[in-house]
Amino acid sequence: AQSVSQHNHHVILSEAASLELGCNYSYGGTVNLFWYVQYPGQHLQLLLKYFSGDPLVKGIKGFEAEFIKSKFSFNLRKPSVQWSDTAEYFCAVNAPGFNDMRFGAGTRLTVKP
Amino acid sequence: DAGVTQSPTHLIKTRGQQVTLRCSPKSGHDTVSWYQQALGQGPQFIFQYYEEEERQRGNFPDRFSGHQFPNYSSELNVNALLLGDSALYLCASSSAHIARGYGYTFGSGTRLTVV
Repeated sequence: AQSVSQHNHHVILSEAASLELGCNYSYGGTVNLFWYVQYPGQHLQLLLKYFSGDPLVKGIKGFEAEFIKSKFSFNLRKPSVQWSDTAEYFCAVNAPGFNDMRFGAGTRLTVKP
Repeated sequence: DAGVTQSPTHLIKTRGQQVTLRCSPKSGHDTVSWYQQALGQGPQFIFQYYEEEERQRGNFPDRFSGHQFPNYSSELNVNALLLGDSALYLCASSSAHIARGYGYTFGSGTRLTVV
């Protein structure tokens, strides 16, 4: 079945640690890929997006993601997390033939000060 | 400010009742999508409206219906509410160029509790 998979349900890190959140999708063809963040009590906000070109995408707040087509992956990274990065992170895919976006189940990130 | 306005923010309904949720898209956006986000889950696509018509629908029963008005605002209606309909309902707006990857702007959602 077509899906978006986020491997980590809950990640706990200390400040200054490096972050990598996994995302895999099972859609074929050319896809558009997104990472959204949801801070506690706030709406979903776009972190970064990929739709063509350089597979290494830089977003807001020091986040970046790498699109690896052969692995159907779009992992999110940040070299050094801060306490303020505590939030829920969602990977999403806009696949060919679909006008909507499909989301993964999300990864809850807790950063300890 | 999210740019997308949803009302109400919270709602409590009794099983079997009907509910209407409202969404005003971000200025300049013409497409509205509705998502259901159950606790601890990612948003699940309900349907999308463009040019006042349902353009695409997710795997939701006919109890879920919607409407888009000429000013691009939208309503989500749910009939015969079930306890399992309790969730955060998100509205997302976009331009017609979503396929190019411009992404959505989300509202803060309506928290529906069915008792």
